[in-house]
Amino acid sequence: AQTVTQSQPEMSVQEAETVTLSCTYDTSESDYYLFWYKQPPSRQMILVIRQEAYKQQNATENRFSVNFQKAAKSFSLKISDSQLGDAAMYFCASTIARNFGNEKLTFGTGTRLTIIP
Amino acid sequence: DTGVSQDPRHKITKRGQNVTFRCDPISEHNRLYWYRQTLGQGPEFLTYFQNEAQLEKSRLLSDRFSAERPKGSFSTLEIQRTEQGDSAMYLCASKRTGENTIYFGEGSWLTVV
Repeated sequence: AQTVTQSQPEMSVQEAETVTLSCTYDTSESDYYLFWYKQPPSRQMILVIRQEAYKQQNATENRFSVNFQKAAKSFSLKISDSQLGDAAMYFCASTIARNFGNEKLTFGTGTRLTIIP
Repeated sequence: DTGVSQDPRHKITKRGQNVTFRCDPISEHNRLYWYRQTLGQGPEFLTYFQNEAQLEKSRLLSDRFSAERPKGSFSTLEIQRTEQGDSAMYLCASKRTGENTIYFGEGSWLTVV
């Protein structure tokens, strides 16, 4: 079984500043994927960034980057140059990788990010 | 690509009534997932389909819940004899086998009064 823990229920950051959201996970699998999803109020959940466990290099997508520490089972999300549109609930999630395809996602409880103008 | 579509977006029902939600996945996505999300929590897996075959069901899916995907395209999630504890957002998601990204719909909010 996989578990995902997000210990920060709420975070806030000044616009244009940098913020880091924490996530730890537990799994007995050797091959898995980790994700950060963003859920704006009353809007659909969208993928922010994805990390394959077998890759040592941290994933980066524009202003979003991760710090993947496999031994510590830690997967934090850094948002640089925060923008008002980044305000949302952020979920960390994991899934087992099997045969190219992954099955169900296991989510954390989320971190609500507020951007202060 | 129109994205994952869910209907209705909001449903208020009286306890004991039956409700049905529909999900239209992204075209050519053969995998379809249902999740449940309660306030302040992350989504929890309910069930998923590979084409028309239901491959896994969570223990959260009690006997009152049934999901179908008869032609391997759209899916329905029916809740019979609703209870107040069923109040939640029901999320549908889809993906193509071999790809790693799951795409979510906007969800269907259920309120049982």
